[in-house]
Amino acid sequence: LAKTTQPISMDSYEGQEVNITCSHNNIATNDYITWYQQFPSQGPRFIIQGYKTKVTNEVASLFIPADRKSSTLSLPRVSLSDTAVYYCLVALYNQGGKLIFGQGTELSVKP
Amino acid sequence: DAGVIQSPRHEVTEMGQEVTLRCKPISGHDYLFWYRQTMMRGLELLIYFNNNVPIDDSGMPEDRFSAKMPNASFSTLKIQPSEPRDSAVYFCASSSFSGSGTDTQYFGPGTRLTVL
Repeated sequence: LAKTTQPISMDSYEGQEVNITCSHNNIATNDYITWYQQFPSQGPRFIIQGYKTKVTNEVASLFIPADRKSSTLSLPRVSLSDTAVYYCLVALYNQGGKLIFGQGTELSVKP
Repeated sequence: DAGVIQSPRHEVTEMGQEVTLRCKPISGHDYLFWYRQTMMRGLELLIYFNNNVPIDDSGMPEDRFSAKMPNASFSTLKIQPSEPRDSAVYFCASSSFSGSGTDTQYFGPGTRLTVL
């Protein structure tokens, strides 16, 4: 069964680019990766989703290498309001539709 | 749309009591998820439904937990009897599977359960 691993915490400063990597072994070609953001006392909120290579939206980019054993969430020019916990989620269609959340990365953005 | 609605927002009960958490998904969504979040274990998927049918309940801790989805607009998560270790924030989420093979889960505000 696939397992996801993320760093527990990261620190950054305002204006920097932040990259958070999620390792996920044993995923199939049609299994997609999603990233969520969670603020205290709120439910997680969708950031970005993809299968392969690179996906970009107005808030982030998602990089998935060819071997698909990891994915990297990239947040350009972070601000204090980006301080939150970031989760990766892998949806495993070939393993009974199981959903595997990472343990979350607590990002702290400092002025 | 009002988003995913959960009730109650807070629940305090005593050990041994029955607890029922409720969720109304976003209209038109055909997937519904129940999660539990604690500091120790993080975010855990308990069960999810597709078109009101349970698909994966392997995350349900034990027989004390049960979930139902009698129709497309309502689901319950019941704990009977409750124990202090069940104290957590319980989230409900819903999604709609797109033609591109992806989905976005929309989470509710959560129910904070405290079992004394």
